[in-house]
Amino acid sequence: DGGITQSPKYLFRKEGQNVTLSCEQNLNHDAMYWYRQDPGQGLRLIYYSQIVNDFQKGDIAEGYSVSREKKESFPLTVTSAQKNPTAFYLCASGPKKQNYGYTFGSGTRLTVV
Amino acid sequence: GQNIDQPTEMTATEGAIVQINCTYQTSGFNGLFWYQQHAGEAPTFLSYNVLDGLEEKGRFSSFLSRSKGYSYLLLKELQMKDSASYLCAVKDDYKLSFGAGTTVTVRA
Repeated sequence: DGGITQSPKYLFRKEGQNVTLSCEQNLNHDAMYWYRQDPGQGLRLIYYSQIVNDFQKGDIAEGYSVSREKKESFPLTVTSAQKNPTAFYLCASGPKKQNYGYTFGSGTRLTVV
Repeated sequence: GQNIDQPTEMTATEGAIVQINCTYQTSGFNGLFWYQQHAGEAPTFLSYNVLDGLEEKGRFSSFLSRSKGYSYLLLKELQMKDSASYLCAVKDDYKLSFGAGTTVTVRA
């Protein structure tokens, strides 16, 4: 079955450490996205990529980095420069067609201690 | 940029109807989406509107007025499993921007 997979589901890291969240899709979608969700807030866009080897900053890109070396994969690195990294991170993908929404992964809950 | 507003919380009784409003101001518009999200889970797609009017899908309906920057999601015959957060999202040329979500609590 086609889908989008995020791993791990739960992640704990010490303050000051970089951590990379995995996102893989086999839906043949061109575009991929990373969102962050905090309690009581909506999804905020971190980075997005419309095509391989190209990506753009979203609304809250500071302290994060991404790569898009393959169509299927869009890993997100949370760096030590991110001031409040503890959050629920959601990866999504979508086709180029305008009337399509996104398919979301099941999310990674990152806790920095 | 995008500015998307929706109520924070709503409570309704099982079997009743609830309407969740969403207003938006956007720099570009290629459709309005509604998603359902249960606590700790990924959002799931409910509906899509790009033209003015009502779209009906079973117990869920969504309405759009582009001139007013307004949409609503109507949930009919509420069930306990409908207790969730409902997210309004607007698509510009490249990406979806989300409102903060409306938490709906269904009481027995």
